[in-house]
Amino acid sequence: TQLLEQSPQFLSIQEGENLTVYCNSSSVFSSLQWYRQEPGEGPVLLVTVVTGGEVKKLKRLTFQFGDARKDSSLHITAAQPGDTGLYLCAGAGGAGSYQLTFGKGTKLSVIP
Amino acid sequence: DAGITQSPRHKVTETGTPVTLRCHQTENHRYMYWYRQDPGHGLRLIHYSYGVKDTDKGEVSDGYSVSRSKTEDFLLTLESATSSQTSVYFCAIRGGVYGYTFGSGTRLTVV
Repeated sequence: TQLLEQSPQFLSIQEGENLTVYCNSSSVFSSLQWYRQEPGEGPVLLVTVVTGGEVKKLKRLTFQFGDARKDSSLHITAAQPGDTGLYLCAGAGGAGSYQLTFGKGTKLSVIP
Repeated sequence: DAGITQSPRHKVTETGTPVTLRCHQTENHRYMYWYRQDPGHGLRLIHYSYGVKDTDKGEVSDGYSVSRSKTEDFLLTLESATSSQTSVYFCAIRGGVYGYTFGSGTRLTVV
């Protein structure tokens, strides 16, 4: 079973601060996805990273896939209250498998 | 909108009763998934389907069964609900290699 460890589990910051969320595993993933989930709703896909070392930017969000494809990070610059939510990372297995293994999530609160 | 709907959104049922949750898609995607989400555990895969009448187990399949008689519908059944099955259940569809879309969830409480 592939496991994904997310940290921190909870994060409460002031508006305008920067933050980084980490997703780590001892397993290699063929791809890694980041989702954001709001209360009462399902997760919404933010980004998929596929290549080791890949960096993707989505406005103030920067996603990086580790060189060995075992870890990933999400960095938010100048956080805003609208960034509040549960952030989930999910890894897809080996070749030919697109089943996702999810981390337990990071609950982010951005205080105005 | 996203082309995936779950019903019901909320349900309270008694221990020992059968319960069926429905996932309906309008995207004609081949792959459909059922997950449960619990505090401290994240999202865990229950069952998935890769076509009509083609299903397979996920990591937490005990106590659950599924059926897919049409491309658009994927049903999750709890044959005899237990309190440990109190959870939020999410259906997901996959279009393409990476394109997962989740439904809004069903909050199930077993009393």
